[in-house]
Amino acid sequence: DAGVIQSPRHEVTEMGQEVTLRCKPISGHNSLFWYRQTMMRGLELLIYFNNNVPIDDSGMPEDRFSAKMPNASFSTLKIQPSEPRDSAVYFCASSFGQGANTEAFFGQGTRLTVV
Amino acid sequence: AQRVTQPEKLLSVFKGAPVELKCNYSYSGSPELFWYVQYSRQRLQLLLRHISRESIKGFTADLNKGETSFHLKKPFAQEEDSAMYYCALRRNRDDKIIFGKGTRLHILP
Repeated sequence: DAGVIQSPRHEVTEMGQEVTLRCKPISGHNSLFWYRQTMMRGLELLIYFNNNVPIDDSGMPEDRFSAKMPNASFSTLKIQPSEPRDSAVYFCASSFGQGANTEAFFGQGTRLTVV
Repeated sequence: AQRVTQPEKLLSVFKGAPVELKCNYSYSGSPELFWYVQYSRQRLQLLLRHISRESIKGFTADLNKGETSFHLKKPFAQEEDSAMYYCALRRNRDDKIIFGKGTRLHILP
């Protein structure tokens, strides 16, 4: 398995534009997490899914942020409209809740810059 | 709610000196605890988990339930240990994983 795959790796967009970040979790994993990493706040959990169902979205900053997981192999995080303060690295991670290895495996991240 | 605290944002240690990265958590139950590491321009990766009680790259971490701590230690720092380290907590296998704000470890030559 190639691991968790995120796209794009880098995104530069203008304020007000819609941004969509994509994630392909590791095949067979049943939990998926979206995190945002900034210097000030560290690694914040935005939302997580279990078996494709959103379980906790309390970390989503505001209504401009939304996330979907239409099937077990794909998830999106959308920001509409984007603002400069959304600039950060966004990570997707997945995990499997059984067996010995229950830790989260991370993607390479998407570096978002909103100008 | 559960919380993970890493009190140091930056820790500078001379090569060959001992390293201790502090992590405290707040949760009344028995969580799973992890240490993740992020080397420059790389993805976050698991360093070790408390249930394995193993040593990875010379690092160990002991869960102290009385002090609700999970400090990461290494007796002799190496230059390649320079990285960002995150402590993380999970209540159970299907729950969310909460991270501390991270500690940047800088090993001085």
